[in-house]
Amino acid sequence: SQQGEEDPQALSIQEGENATMNCSYKTSINNLQWYRQNSGRGLVHLILIRSNEREKHSGRLRVTLDTSKKSSSLLITASRAADTASYFCATVQGAQKLVFGQGTRLTINP
Amino acid sequence: DVKVTQSSRYLVKRTGEKVFLECVQDMDHENMFWYRQDPGLGLRLIYFSYDVKMKEKGDIPEGYSVSREKKERFSLILESASTNQTSMYLCASSLISNQPQHFGDGTRLSIL
Repeated sequence: SQQGEEDPQALSIQEGENATMNCSYKTSINNLQWYRQNSGRGLVHLILIRSNEREKHSGRLRVTLDTSKKSSSLLITASRAADTASYFCATVQGAQKLVFGQGTRLTINP
Repeated sequence: DVKVTQSSRYLVKRTGEKVFLECVQDMDHENMFWYRQDPGLGLRLIYFSYDVKMKEKGDIPEGYSVSREKKERFSLILESASTNQTSMYLCASSLISNQPQHFGDGTRLSIL
């Protein structure tokens, strides 16, 4: 089964609004990573949060991690049309493997 | 910046053909990975390699093999292509385990 499960599967908001995506996982983790994928392209790493961290920021991105609930959230503030993409969380399983969720499709409407 | 290059963006092959997908990374990364991505199924790991000439099966290795003769190059081989192998194939690399992976732009493979 998928280790990371994103919620919602699709999200459509107006430009300038904030977008929040959630990720749940099943087993203990070393770290959790978020990626973005523009249509027809490869994935791009956005941010990594370690299991002993609760919150991390990078520009307009804010990631939180709650290991007691086995969940993480990605917040994009002041969204732009260029943020339209699919967003994936990924957790490390075993020594080397990342396991990806099925992603959230985010659409920013101008 | 790390660059991961996949040899083809689009590829059309016929059933039964032997298909080679090539991936090259330019940052001396130890680990390399092959995934396939299908609607509704997300990314699934086919094979990965943590060193030259080393390979490990991922979650869906059946019908595939890999080759890593040089550190920078990781090849995915479809021994006898079938229509259910039509998919988007993504190659990635990482410096060490547990660290972010860098992806190529993918190869959209169609098997007719």
